Amino acid sequence: NAGVTQTPKFQVLKTGQSMTLQCAQDMNHEYMSWYRQDPGMGLRLIHYSVGAGITDQGEVPNGYNVSRSTTEDFPLRLLSAAPSQTSVYFCASRGDTGDSPLHFGNGTRLTVT
Amino acid sequence: DQQVKQNSPSLSVQEGRISILNCDYTNSMFDYFLWYKKYPAEGPTFLISISSIKDKNEDGRFTVFLNKSAKHLSLHIVPSQPGDSAVYFCAASVRGTGTYKYIFGTGTRLKVLA
Repeated sequence: NAGVTQTPKFQVLKTGQSMTLQCAQDMNHEYMSWYRQDPGMGLRLIHYSVGAGITDQGEVPNGYNVSRSTTEDFPLRLLSAAPSQTSVYFCASRGDTGDSPLHFGNGTRLTVT
Repeated sequence: DQQVKQNSPSLSVQEGRISILNCDYTNSMFDYFLWYKKYPAEGPTFLISISSIKDKNEDGRFTVFLNKSAKHLSLHIVPSQPGDSAVYFCAASVRGTGTYKYIFGTGTRLKVLA
């Protein structure tokens, strides 16, 4: 059972570089989302999607772009990395009912120097 | 403004005793509450949940209690085991535009001492 798969596990970027964090799920979930985890801040929602072609902003969307061309994939793009984006990023998906829990990937640890 | 608060950053408990993790929330529109457990270098994993229409939900060693009037929920682990040592996040769900949004607390690090 793969569940939610994130790549890469680790990444180091220089300020101004761009990159894409990959997320794929095999549970046929319509809802997918990206969170970042920072010390003392918990998990904060960056962007989410309720289905292919539909995305929306969360609490902390600035500096990040998303798109959803398939049900399975939900990549997160950093267009011009900043040190403030140093964090651990988690992708999550869930089923359609209101009581469906989020299923998380194992995260990508990003450092921007 | 933190809508979901976990005021204890850490907690240490002896093996075999009860662990009680607390969570407070401010938004009365939250209708579903969840607890997640996170080990280092892994993603959070779902542990247990409770609907706002209930006051207790039990699953093995884990029980979640909800006090709506106090806007407070707690997770009880009995008996605590060393493998329970992890960071625990509480989360609350609210219906937003077209979907449910999950708001997370800042986490409590539980250490169970053998």
